[in-house]
Amino acid sequence: DAGVTQSPTHLIKTRGQHVTLRCSPISGHKSVSWYQQVLGQGPQFIFQYYEKEERGRGNFPDRFSARQFPNYSSELNVNALLLGDSALYLCASSPGLADRYTQYFGPGTRLTVL
Amino acid sequence: DAKTTQPNSMESNEEEPVHLPCNHSTISGTDYIHWYRQLPSQGPEYVIHGLTSNVNNRMASLAIAEDRKSSTLILHRATLRDAAVYYCILRDYRGAQKLVFGQGTRLTINP
Repeated sequence: DAGVTQSPTHLIKTRGQHVTLRCSPISGHKSVSWYQQVLGQGPQFIFQYYEKEERGRGNFPDRFSARQFPNYSSELNVNALLLGDSALYLCASSPGLADRYTQYFGPGTRLTVL
Repeated sequence: DAKTTQPNSMESNEEEPVHLPCNHSTISGTDYIHWYRQLPSQGPEYVIHGLTSNVNNRMASLAIAEDRKSSTLILHRATLRDAAVYYCILRDYRGAQKLVFGQGTRLTINP
């Protein structure tokens, strides 16, 4: 079975631009979470979506938004890009919200803001 | 979010056991201890988790102190493919499914 897939793998943008990152969860998984990983640090939680509804939000500005589609894929949008938004953006999926479920991460999208 | 403390880096030799420590003195009764690892150029990968009792799976073992203020991830026979950053995470299942990552331990395996 395919794991979590993310697109694109790499992206270069300039300050002030907008970016959309995409994630396809493992088949059958209904929950998708987004994380930001700045170089040299651990991933930081941005959002979690389950059944197309936001279930959790990390400490990120309103420039960051996300949504989940009926097929459970998800998009992360970042507006008015700043240099500090340069990072690896990770998507993770899980079957649901129950305690027994772990999260499975994709390979990430490397965003560079110039 | 409860905090964990791990050494920044550790080094071991191939085919030897590796013990990765984690301190979590402020752990609450509902916090599960999770371990993930991140290989170079990949997303984090689930390794193991537990609440109170020691746990074993095909990847590793998790030894949890009786007072739950510390735990140790044990790789029984390290290979070069085990070189990664290992994260010890406390997860409260009452909240959102978010994982709160720290700095982790960078494990180097010598051939």
